Amino acid sequence: QKEVEQDPGPLSVPEGAIVSLNCTYSNSAFQYFMWYRQYSRKGPELLMYTYSSGNKEDGRFTAQVDKSSKYISLFIRDSQPSDSATYLCALRAGGTSYGKLTFGQGTILTVHP
Amino acid sequence: EAGVAQSPRYKIIEKRQSVAFWCNPISGHATLYWYQQILGQGPKLLIQFQNNGVVDDSQLPKDRFSAERLKGVDSTLKIQPAKLEDSAVYLCASRIPGQGMNEQFFGPGTRLTVL
Repeated sequence: QKEVEQDPGPLSVPEGAIVSLNCTYSNSAFQYFMWYRQYSRKGPELLMYTYSSGNKEDGRFTAQVDKSSKYISLFIRDSQPSDSATYLCALRAGGTSYGKLTFGQGTILTVHP
Repeated sequence: EAGVAQSPRYKIIEKRQSVAFWCNPISGHATLYWYQQILGQGPKLLIQFQNNGVVDDSQLPKDRFSAERLKGVDSTLKIQPAKLEDSAVYLCASRIPGQGMNEQFFGPGTRLTVL
């Protein structure tokens, strides 16, 4: 079993749709929960992060963490063609100063006009 | 502030050849990471350095991969000899060390194709 599993597979939605991306994980040591966005032929860039359970909102993006269920989500409201990218969840254990990230396999999102 | 620099951006080699990638992290970032990202997968950590010391190389295939960061700044990752399954994007990232939420910044990657 992989430490982090990401759903869904490739996603194609119309402009303005609400998008839901999810990851489940098995290691309860994970304390930091991040979402990275990766445009084609670019490196990942941090989109949002949360520490502990709860919701965090930033503009059209909302990140949710449910540590009891080991489940994290990213919601994108009013999706735009510029949101087309690969979205990666990334998790990090607490109690370490070295910051090792464990990534999900990524979801390719295409928003068509 | 300049980002993480990597070179070359693309490399095509034949199997059994050797190849090296270079990374220059953001100034002042003592922690440096090399990740391998196979097409359709998320990045997988190969090795991480704190200054010029290795703190985790548990997923580095040491029979063919090596990495160094001699002066605690630039780093090189080498593959010798390359196999077909090494075709991937090799990402370098850097970070200010600490237990808080210090962001990892990624370079653009080197896309390796092994024929």
